[in-house]
Amino acid sequence: KAGVTQTPRYLIKTRGQQVTLSCSPISGHRSVSWYQQTPGQGLQFLFEYFSETQRNKGNFPGRFSGRQFSNSRSEMNVSTLELGDSALYLCASSWGTSGGQVDTQYFGPGTRLTVL
Amino acid sequence: AQSVTQLGSHVSVSEGALVLLRCNYSSSVPPYLFWYVQYPNQGLQLLLKYTSAATLVKGINGFEAEFKKSETSFHLTKPSAHMSDAAEYFCAVSDPGGGADGLTFGKGTHLIIQP
Repeated sequence: KAGVTQTPRYLIKTRGQQVTLSCSPISGHRSVSWYQQTPGQGLQFLFEYFSETQRNKGNFPGRFSGRQFSNSRSEMNVSTLELGDSALYLCASSWGTSGGQVDTQYFGPGTRLTVL
Repeated sequence: AQSVTQLGSHVSVSEGALVLLRCNYSSSVPPYLFWYVQYPNQGLQLLLKYTSAATLVKGINGFEAEFKKSETSFHLTKPSAHMSDAAEYFCAVSDPGGGADGLTFGKGTHLIIQP
């Protein structure tokens, strides 16, 4: 079974631009979560989508948004990029539970975003 | 709110020696606990998980961890280190009652294997 895939793997943008990252979960998984990884802050939870609905959200500004499609694929968007948005963005998928419990998450390779 | 503390940002062991990576958690309810490994320029790979069944959990690549409620710990061990174990290791916690905060990760421990 194929793992979680993320595209693109690397991205370079300039301040003020916007960016869209894509994530395809493991087949059958309905929950997709996004995390930001930086050397200073470590791994931080951005948001989780389940059945096309954002169910949970971390402590990030509204410039960070996402969506999930009917096939469970997810996209994450960051508008008005800032230098501090440079990070590895990781997507994780899981079977998902209707009650919202966090079950085992399987991670993709990440998208390395560099903001100049 | 939950939190995870990983003692030691860097741990160095000799090849063949015991690996011990420490993780302590803070949670108002018995949590789910996970260990992940990250190799350079890659995502996170699940090593093992504790979800309120057996307190001694065996994972992949010879790793295991023991959940100790009285010590609020979930330390990761491997009897004999191999050069291929060199990587970043993350301990994570989640609330079984709901995933409002997703997985909460520790800062990570960089494992160095000396030949």
